[in-house]
Amino acid sequence: AQRVTQPEKLLSVFKGAPVELKCNYSYSGSPELFWYVQYSRQRLQLLLRHISRESIKGFTADLNKGETSFHLKKPFAQEEDSAMYYCALTGNYGQNFVFGPGTRLSVLP
Amino acid sequence: DGGITQSPKYLFRKEGQNVTLSCEQNLNHDAMYWYRQDPGQGLRLIYYSQIVNDFQKGDIAEGYSVSREKKESFPLTVTSAQKNPTAFYLCASSIALGQSNQPQHFGDGTRLSIL
Repeated sequence: AQRVTQPEKLLSVFKGAPVELKCNYSYSGSPELFWYVQYSRQRLQLLLRHISRESIKGFTADLNKGETSFHLKKPFAQEEDSAMYYCALTGNYGQNFVFGPGTRLSVLP
Repeated sequence: DGGITQSPKYLFRKEGQNVTLSCEQNLNHDAMYWYRQDPGQGLRLIYYSQIVNDFQKGDIAEGYSVSREKKESFPLTVTSAQKNPTAFYLCASSIALGQSNQPQHFGDGTRLSIL
C-alpha cells in the first residue's frame, strides 16, 4: 500500500541554522514525490517535486530510492520558512496523491 | 486570486442534517479532489473525479457523496451518515489524472463544525 510518513510533528530551528524535514514512503512501483507547504493564512501550495530537480526558496529534496526517502533540506533557515510542510506521493500513472501527516517548521529568531 | 474557490469558509451542521460544500475551478483542469484534514493526520482523500460525470471513492468516502455535472464544479455533500464530520475540507484540482507529474492546486478550504 502507498504510505508517506513524516516522523516529526514539530521541528524548531534557529534562524541561519540548517534544516531537514524528513519524509519516508512505501510504494511498490516508481513513485513521484512532492513537497507542499502551507504558510499561515495561505492555501496549501506546491513547493517542489522530485522530477524537476529544482531548488525553490533555497529548499532542495533528493529522492533516495534505496532508503525510500525524500527529505527536504535548506542550508540556512529563514523566519519566513515557518510553515506546515507536507510530503506527498503519487503513482507513475498519476494515481491518487497520498499525503504525509505534515511537519510544522518553526524558525526562531 | 483565481484558481479554485471553496465556499463557504465556515459551515455549521445540525445533527441529522446534510450539508453541501462548494468547489469551483477556472483552471480548465479535468481532475478534481476532495480531502479531509484532521490534526496530526495529514490529508485523507474522500472522493476524486477524473472527468465530468465520473467520480471514484477515495480512502474515506463513507458518509459523503459528490457529483460532477460540470467540469468546473465538484460539490461535496456531507450526509447525516458521517458520524464525525467536524474537520477542515480541502478541494483540489489538477490537469488530467493520467499525466503523472502534474501537481494539485488547492482551495482555501471549508471548516465544518457540528452544532
